[in-house]
Amino acid sequence: DVKVTQSSRYLVKRTGEKVFLECVQDMDHENMFWYRQDPGLGLRLIYFSYDVKMKEKGDIPEGYSVSREKKERFSLILESASTNQTSMYLCASSPGLVDEQFFGPGTRLTVL
Amino acid sequence: GDSVTQMEGPVTLSEEAFLTINCTYTATGYPSLFWYVQYPGEGLQLLLKATKADDKGSNKGFEATYRKETTSFHLEKGSVQVSDSAVYFCALGSGAGSYQLTFGKGTKLSVIP
Repeated sequence: DVKVTQSSRYLVKRTGEKVFLECVQDMDHENMFWYRQDPGLGLRLIYFSYDVKMKEKGDIPEGYSVSREKKERFSLILESASTNQTSMYLCASSPGLVDEQFFGPGTRLTVL
Repeated sequence: GDSVTQMEGPVTLSEEAFLTINCTYTATGYPSLFWYVQYPGEGLQLLLKATKADDKGSNKGFEATYRKETTSFHLEKGSVQVSDSAVYFCALGSGAGSYQLTFGKGTKLSVIP
């Protein structure tokens, strides 16, 4: 069964901390994505990667960075967490252009 | 740019009622269209998809038809169950070299016994 896993389901951090969210897929997919999901705003794309070491900004990249050193792993980094980054973070992967995306279970991050 | 508009929720239905969730889109070219479902506490799962005009996607009793003339992809189910309670997202992939999907804001469905 295909799977996308995320390192934590729930995370609580303090303002100013550096936060790492990790995502791993076992489907050998080329593309990986990070979204945040907020009530009334739906899903918004933060960053995506179409190959190892390649990344592209999405709609809301400010305050975030990403790393993809291996094909199966895509990390989202909050350099200095702020309270407005409290959200649900969803990772996804897809095999190619305009293909179905497979989602992980999400990480609910709270920044105090 | 591409956009997806879906009906605002929440929607509350009694068990065995008929469901329609409207979705319209704006895109250049010939997008692929998707419906995703998110059950409480989980990530999104693909429910169904259609890749060209007049295609009908179907799964678990849900159906949606790709209507290019009305730029719509409405989700329907003839008889909903309590287990269908979830948030439903309409999405499009525009192709043309794009890797991204554009999502609607989601419609929360609650089915009561």
